[in-house]
Amino acid sequence: EPEVTQTPSHQVTQMGQEVILRCVPISNHLYFYWYRQILGQKVEFLVSFYNNEISEKSEIFDDQFSVERPDGSNFTLKIRSTKLEDSAMYFCASSRGSGRAARETQYFGPGTRLLVL
Amino acid sequence: GESVGLHLPTLSVQEGDNSIINCAYSNSASDYFIWYKQESGKGPQFIIDIRSNMDKRQGQRVTVLLNKTVKHLSLQIAATQPGDSAVYFCAESEGGNTPLVFGKGTRLSVIA
Repeated sequence: EPEVTQTPSHQVTQMGQEVILRCVPISNHLYFYWYRQILGQKVEFLVSFYNNEISEKSEIFDDQFSVERPDGSNFTLKIRSTKLEDSAMYFCASSRGSGRAARETQYFGPGTRLLVL
Repeated sequence: GESVGLHLPTLSVQEGDNSIINCAYSNSASDYFIWYKQESGKGPQFIIDIRSNMDKRQGQRVTVLLNKTVKHLSLQIAATQPGDSAVYFCAESEGGNTPLVFGKGTRLSVIA
């Protein structure tokens, strides 16, 4: 069964450093998402991406965040200058994207645990 | 702002019993609801979903009930097994490919 994959599984970085989190969405999916989950809290939406541009973004997704689809398979989240409060699990998700009227299940990857020291 | 929440943070059930996990939502524009299961160290795993034009949907050992009048969602797991132990999240969206809004999660512990 196709699944979303993410690398690395764990990332430790120093405050102020840049990190890039990588995702490979399910191959025939067109919508891609990043969510994060701070330890012990609920999953929060960051950004959605469709047709090579951001579709929606939350207040969390400020100027230090960016997303990119550098090739036909990868979807990345870059944090330019990490802060302590960026420590969280970051989940990538994808959905088929057949239109707003359709029921579009988002399938999640296993996540990257980011720790900012 | 609009939010999705859960009534119970933890639930312990005997193996073989039925489990019911509840969720309240407040966004009247919500059109699509999903239950996810999250095991330790893993990402949310899709369990079952339901559209706002339905009030019940059944899967394998799971049933989701939707009461739009009181904005309430529940997940019923029949004959709960040890492998069902996890955190369960409800999530809602306004349909299509719009962002999911997650609840806080309920931890289900199955006692063998």
